[in-house]
Amino acid sequence: KNEVEQSPQNLTAQEGEFITINCSYSVGISALHWLQQHPGGGIVSLFMLSSGKKKHGRLIATINIQEKHSSLHITASHPRDSAVYICAVSLNYGGSQGNLIFGKGTKLSVKP
Amino acid sequence: DSGVTQTPKHLITATGQRVTLRCSPRSGDLSVYWYQQSLDQGLQFLIQYYNGEERAKGNILERFSAQQFPDLHSELNLSSLELGDSALYFCASSPEGWANTGELFFGEGSRLTVL
Repeated sequence: KNEVEQSPQNLTAQEGEFITINCSYSVGISALHWLQQHPGGGIVSLFMLSSGKKKHGRLIATINIQEKHSSLHITASHPRDSAVYICAVSLNYGGSQGNLIFGKGTKLSVKP
Repeated sequence: DSGVTQTPKHLITATGQRVTLRCSPRSGDLSVYWYQQSLDQGLQFLIQYYNGEERAKGNILERFSAQQFPDLHSELNLSSLELGDSALYFCASSPEGWANTGELFFGEGSRLTVL
């Protein structure tokens, strides 16, 4: 069993829909990251969470430490949101938080 | 543009050969991380350097090595290449005190094809 599990693996949505991507992990962590990888391959860091909730534009990320679960929500989805969204967890406190265990990613396609 | 530069963008080589991938971090970032993304394994953390010193090691093969130079750029050396080393190699940098900001800045990656 992978230490970081994402669901769904693939997601197709219509423009404007509300989207949720889930991430569950089985280890104690210091932080959880959500990353976005575009079709060209480049990776962008979206959020780092250690508790609670963060919002940036139409993106919202939440984490429940007790349940070892995080969600990434996209409101009013748009075709430009089409990408692979990757959840990753850090086991280290301070100094090596890029030492990550990655989920396999969720491929999102938003149709106009 | 993340400010992190990786070269080369694409590299094709043969089994048994040795290659060097280069990463220039964002100005002022002391930490450099290397990752491998392959079709079967997904993304994996390889190694971290902080201000010239190795700080953390992940799933890095013995045939691979890295270093960080005084100007903070880093190189990942891959030797005795095998077909299975074909992958996208990313580096990322983070600023000192990164634990407070939480952000990693990724390069565009170097795509290695071993034939």
